[in-house]
Amino acid sequence: KAGVTQTPRYLIKTRGQQVTLSCSPISGHRSVSWYQQTPGQGLQFLFEYFSETQRNKGNFPGRFSGRQFSNSRSEMNVSTLELGDSALYLCASSMRSTGGAHNEQFFGPGTRLTVL
Amino acid sequence: GEDVEQSLFLSVREGDSSVINCTYTDSSSTYLYWYKQEPGAGLQLLTYIFSNMDMKQDQRLTVLLNKKDKHLSLRIADTQTGDSAIYFCAAKNAGNMLTFGGGTRLMVKP
Repeated sequence: KAGVTQTPRYLIKTRGQQVTLSCSPISGHRSVSWYQQTPGQGLQFLFEYFSETQRNKGNFPGRFSGRQFSNSRSEMNVSTLELGDSALYLCASSMRSTGGAHNEQFFGPGTRLTVL
Repeated sequence: GEDVEQSLFLSVREGDSSVINCTYTDSSSTYLYWYKQEPGAGLQLLTYIFSNMDMKQDQRLTVLLNKKDKHLSLRIADTQTGDSAIYFCAAKNAGNMLTFGGGTRLMVKP
């Protein structure tokens, strides 16, 4: 079974530009979550999508947005890039069980975004 | 919101046991997880424990949970150089959100 794939793996942008990152979940998984990892802030939850609907959102500005397609693939977009957006962006997929049940998230290798 | 704290660094000798500690603040956390991250890679789930359990053992890994103190630990027996990585603990709330600690860098010396 193929794992979670993220494209591109590396990206360099300049301040003010926008960027779109892509995540393909494991086949059969319907939930995709996005995380930002930086040396200063660690791993922070961005948002979760399930069946094309945003279910949870972390504490990030509106410049960060996402969407999920009918095949469960997800994209996240960051507009008006700032230097502080440089980070490793990880996505994780899961089958999603209800409530507080165990629901293992499988992580992709990440997209490393550098903003100059 | 939930806060999850870990010590930054741990150094052990090959063959010794490693113990990585974690504290969390939300007593309603349902599951607690340990992930491993190697350089240039994403996160790999090592093990998890349900909040009503005290201990879980999985081969060389032992997870201890003190729910009263909101303290979680991961013990790695017979630590090998291949265990060198960053280890993250994470707490899951009643939804599907994970809150991660800052990570503990484990260095294993030959």
